[in-house]
Amino acid sequence: QVHLVESGGGVVQPGRSLRLSCAASGFTFTYYAMHWVRQIPGKGLEWVAVISYDGRSKYYADSVKGRFTISRDNSKNTLYLQMNSLRTEDTALYYCARGGWMQVWSELDSWGQGALVTVSS
Amino acid sequence: IVLTQSPGTLSLSPGERATLSCRASQSVGSSSLAWYQQKPGQAPRLLMYAASKRPIAIPDRFSGSGSGTDFTLTINRLKPEDFAVYYCQQYGTSPHTFGQGTKVEIK
Repeated sequence: QVHLVESGGGVVQPGRSLRLSCAASGFTFTYYAMHWVRQIPGKGLEWVAVISYDGRSKYYADSVKGRFTISRDNSKNTLYLQMNSLRTEDTALYYCARGGWMQVWSELDSWGQGALVTVSS
Repeated sequence: IVLTQSPGTLSLSPGERATLSCRASQSVGSSSLAWYQQKPGQAPRLLMYAASKRPIAIPDRFSGSGSGTDFTLTINRLKPEDFAVYYCQQYGTSPHTFGQGTKVEIK
């Protein structure tokens, strides 16, 4: 059974940094693309970033490009999101989600429960 | 690609049919469109992928159709557990955009 657990959320001041982690289990992490998706409480979903199974390909939403970095450690079955230069509008619940088997162009078939990031002075 | 969902809210009774629309600003390649269901306090759940394919655990009262720029999610014989927010997403081009959602509420 696929299990994704996000951690690392919290309250941070504007301009500061935060790193989210997503621990994966129940599947062969090495073979799957992984995504981050965020949701402002009470609002819709916003796709943030995707990383290929081998970490070589990464794509970002325009709203986070140049500030956020997605990465993975396949030896630890863990996905990361390094968030720099945080803004108040980055306040959201951040989900990690499993993408396609060896491809980034695929649906998101399993989701974690999310990590809340609050950017506030 | 911008995805526009309609209506914003759908008020229906259990047993009725729900028809949700998702329109793309440009053609979605290879019908790379998915639908997700989200209930309050829960993570989204994949309902449909490749426009019309259902994951094995999704009941057959859910069906998807469409291609190019126009897609539809149909829910036949609404059950109480189907009242939720539904999102479409295209994954054929980066960024993998979501629609703004359609809320299906009990009338």
